[in-house]
Amino acid sequence: AQSVAQPEDQVNVAEGNPLTVKCTYSVSGNPYLFWYVQYPNRGLQFLLKYITGDNLVKGSYGFEAEFNKSQTSFHLKKPSALVSDSALYFCAVRRGWITGGGNKLTFGTGTQLKVEL
Amino acid sequence: DVKVTQSSRYLVKRTGEKVFLECVQDMDHENMFWYRQDPGLGLRLIYFSYDVKMKEKGDIPEGYSVSREKKERFSLILESASTNQTSMYLCSSRLAGSTGELFFGEGSRLTVL
Repeated sequence: AQSVAQPEDQVNVAEGNPLTVKCTYSVSGNPYLFWYVQYPNRGLQFLLKYITGDNLVKGSYGFEAEFNKSQTSFHLKKPSALVSDSALYFCAVRRGWITGGGNKLTFGTGTQLKVEL
Repeated sequence: DVKVTQSSRYLVKRTGEKVFLECVQDMDHENMFWYRQDPGLGLRLIYFSYDVKMKEKGDIPEGYSVSREKKERFSLILESASTNQTSMYLCSSRLAGSTGELFFGEGSRLTVL
């Protein structure tokens, strides 16, 4: 079975400071990893993904994430936070190179990011 | 712009009622998914469909059924709504066999009284 852990329910950071939202995963074989963001009363929006290749992936709105295979982590980062980054962030994983039943995406429980002035 | 449309943003139903949640995508995606979102539990997969008339159970299918008669439409059905089905329901779609991301609708917030 595959799973995702987001150990922090909430992360608080001051505007202009760097932010990190943590994610660890468990999956058989090679992982496909994703980050999504959700603003209040809205659906999820895709931020970035890791499929293969460079461990540092860049995505929308200045976000990036680093894939670390030995630590089974995929932490989301941004060098300088904005108040408008305040939202709920979800990490997700699925098995790579698998079709059919293994194609399911499993989400973490989400981390609320609060950026204050 | 690609789009996943959920017809009802907010619904209030009574216990025992039959509830239909409709989802339409305009991207010609084969795969479609229904999740429910609850605070502290994240997103949990209810049902998914690889293609027209195909469906598979997700992690929490009890109390739900689905219908996929056309490629663009994936319906979630609550045969007899219960209060523990009060939740946010999210529909999503993706190209088959792709490494791409899921595209989500805006969500349907269902309250069962």
